[in-house]
Amino acid sequence: DVKVTQSSRYLVKRTGEKVFLECVQDMDHENMFWYRQDPGLGLRLIYFSYDVKMKEKGDIPEGYSVSREKKERFSLILESASTNQTSMYLCASRDTRRATETQYFGPGTRLLVL
Amino acid sequence: SQQGEEDPQALSIQEGENATMNCSYKTSINNLQWYRQNSGRGLVHLILIRSNEREKHSGRLRVTLDTSKKSSSLLITASRAADTASYFCALRQAGTALIFGKGTTLSVSS
Repeated sequence: DVKVTQSSRYLVKRTGEKVFLECVQDMDHENMFWYRQDPGLGLRLIYFSYDVKMKEKGDIPEGYSVSREKKERFSLILESASTNQTSMYLCASRDTRRATETQYFGPGTRLLVL
Repeated sequence: SQQGEEDPQALSIQEGENATMNCSYKTSINNLQWYRQNSGRGLVHLILIRSNEREKHSGRLRVTLDTSKKSSSLLITASRAADTASYFCALRQAGTALIFGKGTTLSVSS
């Protein structure tokens, strides 16, 4: 089974702090994604990565950056956390070598910025 | 980028009943996928239907796609309490990332 893990289930940070959210997948998938999920807004794509050291902005990249130095790890960075970044963050990966287009999700990190 | 629009936003039914939720979209797609999310958890892929397909089945799930109306429906037959979750449609257009809708919250009571 594909496993996507996220470093924390719950995180509390202060405004202005630099925040790192880590995502690791164990199936050698090329594509990885970061979404945030807010009530009434659904899932919105922040950034995605086609492969190592490659990244593309999604729909709401402002205030975020990402890093993909190794294939299995995709990090989301909040350079200076703000209260409007309080949200559920979901990481996903996808295997482009197969015909299947399933995205596999991690359990999510619920971030509270005070 | 467009989102799928699920309808209804919330649905409450009794165990054993069927649940139908719909997804509408605005531009052409390569495929449409349905995902389930249990409360506070990640999403789990349920079923994918390609743009040249009209209907697919998987267990108690039946998905239809009408590209002329730009809509899809997900039917869960003989629902169970364990089906209580949020259901999302996700659109795959040209490119890599899926675009998710806002979801339908299904509550199945015993």
